[in-house]
Amino acid sequence: AQRVTQPEKLLSVFKGAPVELKCNYSYSGSPELFWYVQYSRQRLQLLLRHISRESIKGFTADLNKGETSFHLKKPFAQEEDSAMYYCALSVHSGNTPLVFGKGTRLSVIA
Amino acid sequence: EADIYQTPRYLVIGTGKKITLECSQTMGHDKMYWYQQDPGMELHLIHYSYGVNSTEKGDLSSESTVSRIRTEHFPLTLESARPSHTSQYLCASRGGTGTDTQYFGPGTRLTVL
Repeated sequence: AQRVTQPEKLLSVFKGAPVELKCNYSYSGSPELFWYVQYSRQRLQLLLRHISRESIKGFTADLNKGETSFHLKKPFAQEEDSAMYYCALSVHSGNTPLVFGKGTRLSVIA
Repeated sequence: EADIYQTPRYLVIGTGKKITLECSQTMGHDKMYWYQQDPGMELHLIHYSYGVNSTEKGDLSSESTVSRIRTEHFPLTLESARPSHTSQYLCASRGGTGTDTQYFGPGTRLTVL
């Protein structure tokens, strides 16, 4: 069965410091991986997905199949990055629901 | 504009009442989902559907039921609300392939007294 692990429930960093939110997955096939973000009083929304290989709001994530990881990184944290972040996994066909991690709350301190 | 709509946004109700949480999407998606989420906590999948007349139970045992008579509409019903049902309920929809983005509605915050 697929599983997504986000080991940190809460991550606090100072403004301007680098950020890394960890995500590890277990899946024997080729996964599709996503990061979703939930800002205060806003709906859950997609931040980025590995297939797009894009940088959104300064965040990047690289799929490392050897380490089965998809860590989210940003070189300089901003206060507006404070939010809940969820890593999610999908099988390629999309015929099963997304598997979400339990989420990491990022708090950026001024 | 393509979007996911949930009504009501907030609901306070007494124990034992029957309630229906509405979810509609104009995204043209076949796949729809219901999640339960306490604020800032993990998402629990309670029901999903891959199309009209298709419904499945999710990972979290739930006393709710769903129906999918129209592609765009996926209501969730609680026959007899209890205080343990107090939570936020999120509706979502998604396109047909594994790479497609899943979109979430704004949520319904339910309080059962």
